[in-house]
Amino acid sequence: AQSVTQLGSHVSVSEGALVLLRCNYSSSVPPYLFWYVQYPNQGLQLLLKYTSAATLVKGINGFEAEFKKSETSFHLTKPSAHMSDAAEYFCAVSMYSGGGADGLTFGKGTHLIIQP
Amino acid sequence: ETGVTQSPTHLIKTRGQQVTLRCSSQSGHNTVSWYQQALGQGPQFIFQYYREEENGRGNFPPRFSGLQFPNYSSELNVNALELDDSALYLCASSLEQGRNEQFFGPGTRLTVL
Repeated sequence: AQSVTQLGSHVSVSEGALVLLRCNYSSSVPPYLFWYVQYPNQGLQLLLKYTSAATLVKGINGFEAEFKKSETSFHLTKPSAHMSDAAEYFCAVSMYSGGGADGLTFGKGTHLIIQP
Repeated sequence: ETGVTQSPTHLIKTRGQQVTLRCSSQSGHNTVSWYQQALGQGPQFIFQYYREEENGRGNFPPRFSGLQFPNYSSELNVNALELDDSALYLCASSLEQGRNEQFFGPGTRLTVL
């Protein structure tokens, strides 16, 4: 079975500061991992995904994440926060194990607050 | 290219009623997944349809059911609504089954009174 833990339900950073959102996963198969962003009253937008190729994954809007198997982590970072980054961020792992559904298991989310 | 669309945007129902939510997949996508997102929580996987067949279900009771049509659009039906069914229901489509990127619609906000 797969599971995702996001540490910190709320993270507050100053504009221009480093953003670090933490995600740890559990998976019975080699994982495919995703980060999604959700703005108020909207659906989810994919930021980036890890699919067993490069361990450092670059996504949209300057975000990147590093897959660390030994730590079962997939933390999301951005060197310099912008006000427009304020949103809810979700880490997810694919349930797919070679057959059946490939639904996603999501973490509970981290609300990113940007201080001016 | 049209993205994933959902209807209605909002609706209000009373306990015990039935509801149908609709989703149009992104062009060319044959796989549709439905998720329930309660307030302040991450989305939870309800089920997935692949080429008109349900091919997987999360921890949801049978009163949650669905359909996928030949054009790959989809419906989520919920019978005997309960207060805890109040949530944002998200539909996501993907090109094929098997760890492909899922594209999400804007969701339907269901309130059960």
